[in-house]
Amino acid sequence: NAGVTQTPKFRILKIGQSMTLQCTQDMNHNYMYWYRQDPGMGLKLIYYSVGAGITDKGEVPNGYNVSRSTTEDFPLRLELAAPSQTSVYFCASSLGRVDTGELFFGEGSRLTVL
Amino acid sequence: AQSVTQPDIHITVSEGASLELRCNYSYGATPYLFWYVQSPGQGLQLLLKYFSGDTLVQGIKGFEAEFKRSQSSFNLRKPSVHWSDAAEYFCAVTSLDSNYQLIWGAGTKLIIKP
Repeated sequence: NAGVTQTPKFRILKIGQSMTLQCTQDMNHNYMYWYRQDPGMGLKLIYYSVGAGITDKGEVPNGYNVSRSTTEDFPLRLELAAPSQTSVYFCASSLGRVDTGELFFGEGSRLTVL
Repeated sequence: AQSVTQPDIHITVSEGASLELRCNYSYGATPYLFWYVQSPGQGLQLLLKYFSGDTLVQGIKGFEAEFKRSQSSFNLRKPSVHWSDAAEYFCAVTSLDSNYQLIWGAGTKLIIKP
C-alpha cells in the first residue's frame, strides 16, 4: 500500500539552483495536487491536475512548474530557487473533485534554500 | 474572499480530558467541511467530513464534529483524549466559491499533558 510517494524527503538548495520534487501515486487517482506548508499558515495550493495532460495554477504558482504526462506521476519543478521557497511541500491525490471524497497525502518534502 | 479561521494556535489538554478545537469559515455558497490531522513528520490524514445531512458527523479515532450554519462553525470534539492524539489539526473548506479547491485553516497544535 504505497499510496502517495514523494522524493526527496529533505533537500538543501543554493539560491538560483533548480530541482524537481517527484510525486507518484498508485491509486489510479485522477486528481493530483502540490501544496506548500509554511509555519503558522494553512496549506497553499501551488498547482493541480485533473488528469494526464491537464494542469492548472493554484493560489501560489510563481516560481514553480508542473507536468502530468501519466496518471501516476506529478513532478514539481523549482526554477531559480529563492529563499522564499523554503517550505515543506506536500503532494496529494484524490479520485475525484475534493467535494466528492478525500485527499491522500505524501509524507512531505522539506526544502531549504540558502 | 473565502477564509477559514482556527483561533487557537496551540491547545494543551490533559490525557483523558475532553477536547474541542474551533473552526470558523467565511463562505457564501454551501460549504463542504473537513478536518485533517497531521502527526509529526507525516502527511495529512482525513479525520471526518461534512457534505450534507446530519450536522453531527463521526470520524475516525473517536472524533466528531458539528456543523452549525448559524455560527459558520465546524468544531472538532473528542470526549477523552489519548497521548497518541498529539498532532496538528487542520480545518478545510471547499465550495463553488473557491472553484472546489480546499481553503485551509492555519492549524491547531494539540499538546497532551500526561
